[in-house]
Amino acid sequence: EIVLTQSPDTLSLSPGERATLSCRATQNIRNSYIAWYQQKPGQAPRLLIYGASSRATGIPDRFSGSGSGTDFTLTIRRLEPEDFAVYYCQLYGSSSWTFGQGTKVEIK
Amino acid sequence: QGRLVQSGAEVKKPGASVKVSCKAPTYAFTGYTIHWVRQAPGQGLEWMGWINAGNGNTRYSQRFQGRVSITRDTSARTEYLELSNLRSEDTAIYFCARGVSPETPMITWGQGTLVTVSS
Repeated sequence: EIVLTQSPDTLSLSPGERATLSCRATQNIRNSYIAWYQQKPGQAPRLLIYGASSRATGIPDRFSGSGSGTDFTLTIRRLEPEDFAVYYCQLYGSSSWTFGQGTKVEIK
Repeated sequence: QGRLVQSGAEVKKPGASVKVSCKAPTYAFTGYTIHWVRQAPGQGLEWMGWINAGNGNTRYSQRFQGRVSITRDTSARTEYLELSNLRSEDTAIYFCARGVSPETPMITWGQGTLVTVSS
């Protein structure tokens, strides 16, 4: 079973700064079936990125994803006040679905 | 693409079962996939399983094998999660989420259903 580990657990940044979130898999991910979700308190998650680097519909271009193999990254170019939330990476595909433990991006 | 609407909060005793529903809006196609994901208080997301709403195929997380069942009522455009032999650790918000197929991520989410297991 593939395990996803996200780092750091918490990222303390100021609005306008760049956020870099990491997601590492215990095995190679085929077809880069990695997605990233944002979750705010009291809300359901929202899909940001799929296929490691493709933005979902309506997602601002300050969000970008990259990576392949076992190492994946979500970058938020310039943090807006509404970007402070918890972010989860996810492995998807018919037989493998799992989430990382999440990274909280908080206001410094 | 329309929001998924879930049933209301539930309170159950240990050992009981719970059944949560997820109603999809009218889509132009029926071959979508519905996932169930849960989130314990203050914790992360945990995938439980999926059902292909078109053909009824299912897949479950090994962690819940034997305790979970995901079913559908195609005429009602509704999918169901049933979890049996509940314990206090099953207290969580249960979300349904829709993908286009079992090979695509979760695009649309329900509002979540709080299930509380308490004696």
